[in-house]
Amino acid sequence: NAGVMQNPRHLVRRRGQEARLRCSPMKGHSHVYWYRQLPEEGLKFMVYLQKENIIDESGMPKERFSAEFPKEGPSILRIQQVVRGDSAAYFCASQPGRAGNTIYFGEGSWLTVV
Amino acid sequence: GNSVTQMEGPVTLSEEAFLTINCTYTATGYPSLFWYVQYPGEGLQLLLKATKADDKGSNKGFEATYRKETTSFHLEKGSVQVSDSAVYFCALLNTGFQKLVFGTGTRLLVSP
Repeated sequence: NAGVMQNPRHLVRRRGQEARLRCSPMKGHSHVYWYRQLPEEGLKFMVYLQKENIIDESGMPKERFSAEFPKEGPSILRIQQVVRGDSAAYFCASQPGRAGNTIYFGEGSWLTVV
Repeated sequence: GNSVTQMEGPVTLSEEAFLTINCTYTATGYPSLFWYVQYPGEGLQLLLKATKADDKGSNKGFEATYRKETTSFHLEKGSVQVSDSAVYFCALLNTGFQKLVFGTGTRLLVSP
């Protein structure tokens, strides 16, 4: 059973470009989370999704950031018009449908904005 | 609200020393508690967990006990190795809110 798969692992974008980060949850997991880790800081919750639904996006910046988890395919975190402050590691995590289960993390996508 | 407080790092130890990383939490209800470890350039790996008061989670020589009376979940290891050098994150999952809340992380550096 493969773990949570994220790609790309490393992404470099120029200011103003778009960044798309993909996450395939563990098999059988229907809940996906995105977290952001700024350099030398802890992880901050961004968004919680179930298939085709955003459940909690209280940690998402109001502009330029969006997330989806379609019925088929991976979850996508999209950052439009990136700025240097978006440089961070973005971690996806997944969980089986039942509440209270352990959340498993992917290896992260490191975004660098130049 | 829910929050996790960890001791600030870095924690610097010699090989075979005893390790304690303090973690306290604030939460409504009865959260589950976790320790995650992050090695350089990698993602987070679940180290151990405890789901109710007085539970002890353990893995790879690490252990932590869920203490409701002191709202703590301190991480301990009797004899650290160089390969334990990493950042350790304490986290809680409150089922009512269904998202992990992390502490700021504690960097552990173990020298030979």
